[in-house]
Amino acid sequence: QKEVEQNSGPLSVPEGAIASLNCTYSDRGSQSFFWYRQYSGKSPELIMSIYSNGDKEDGRFTAQLNKASQYVSLLIRDSQPSDSATYLCAVGDSNYQLIWGAGTKLIIKP
Amino acid sequence: EAQVTQNPRYLITVTGKKLTVTCSQNMNHEYMSWYRQDPGLGLRQIYYSMNVEVTDKGDVPEGYKVSRKEKRNFPLILESPSPNQTSLYFCASSLRSVTAKNIQYFGAGTRLSVL
Repeated sequence: QKEVEQNSGPLSVPEGAIASLNCTYSDRGSQSFFWYRQYSGKSPELIMSIYSNGDKEDGRFTAQLNKASQYVSLLIRDSQPSDSATYLCAVGDSNYQLIWGAGTKLIIKP
Repeated sequence: EAQVTQNPRYLITVTGKKLTVTCSQNMNHEYMSWYRQDPGLGLRQIYYSMNVEVTDKGDVPEGYKVSRKEKRNFPLILESPSPNQTSLYFCASSLRSVTAKNIQYFGAGTRLSVL
């Protein structure tokens, strides 16, 4: 059974600090990795994708991928109250399907 | 505007009464998918379609049917709904399969309650 694991949280971070979200996956053949943000009662929206080992930065967001350790993370710098949401990690597996983590709830405290 | 449209947004029904949730996309996407989301379980794929007339089971297909007669539409059918199908449902589409580095777009969701 292919799995994507995330800490459910909630993760509480002060406004202006760095929020660090983590995700591990079981399928070594996975090639694509995504972070989605989901506000309560809303649909997921893509915020970052990463395909190669290393870091990828987009504004306040940085995705980090380590395929050897089967680990992907998302850093949010200068956290804002509007970043409070559930963050879903999704991994494209070797069968060309997306496997989803259960999500980490992030709370940014003003 | 590029979008995935689901209807209805909210639905309350009774056990055994057949229902259909519609999904339509205007982006000429080949790949479409249905998910259900339950607290603590994340998104679980029900069915997906790689193109017209091509559908396949996801992780939790029992109790559901789909069809893909046209590229833009991918309805989800519950022939005989049961209370364990009470959930939040999302339709999604992407240009091609997800590992082709294509973004997956989601509909607004359908909250279904089966009494």
